[in-house]
Amino acid sequence: GDSVTQMEGPVTLSEEAFLTINCTYTATGYPSLFWYVQYPGEGLQLLLKATKADDKGSNKGFEATYRKETTSFHLEKGSVQVSDSAVYFCALANFGNEKLTFGTGTRLTIIP
Amino acid sequence: NAGVTQTPKFQVLKTGQSMTLQCAQDMNHNSMYWYRQDPGMGLRLIYYSASEGTTDKGEVPNGYNVSRLNKREFSLRLESAAPSQTSVYFCASITGGRGTDTQYFGPGTRLTVL
Repeated sequence: GDSVTQMEGPVTLSEEAFLTINCTYTATGYPSLFWYVQYPGEGLQLLLKATKADDKGSNKGFEATYRKETTSFHLEKGSVQVSDSAVYFCALANFGNEKLTFGTGTRLTIIP
Repeated sequence: NAGVTQTPKFQVLKTGQSMTLQCAQDMNHNSMYWYRQDPGMGLRLIYYSASEGTTDKGEVPNGYNVSRLNKREFSLRLESAAPSQTSVYFCASITGGRGTDTQYFGPGTRLTVL
């Protein structure tokens, strides 16, 4: 079946550091890939997505590129801020099937 | 638009008690979902409803029932709560069908079963 593996946390960085959170997937067919973010005490919200190979999703300074050859969708940000502290989830949905398969989440803490 | 709303926000139950978690969306979405979130396990799908009048089991349906009351509302019922059901529950909705759309999540219900 489909699965998502993401980098275990927690991750702690200083403000303005470079961020990478690794995500790899296993899926049949042609999945869409998503990063969702959960701020403290809130539900998940979409951060970015990519629906086909080589697409780059971007939002709020975060980027991720859909790499079919390495089955990866790593999340990156050049300079993190304290307000980026949250839990980040990588997820996939197979074509024509809206059900999401989530990774276990990575807790990110940014210290000033 | 309120988006996806859930009630209650917090609940404490004793083992064996029952309760219903309510979810409503005002985005005219076809599909609705119930997840539970446990530490180190991400989100796991309990039940979903692809359209009004239909429901299907997800990954962890045991101990739960659902009702898709109308297009807006999707409730989750625990008939006899167990400590293993202590979790944070999220409802979500999506336009549906294509695998490329965004799921919209409610703020969650934190449930503790003693």
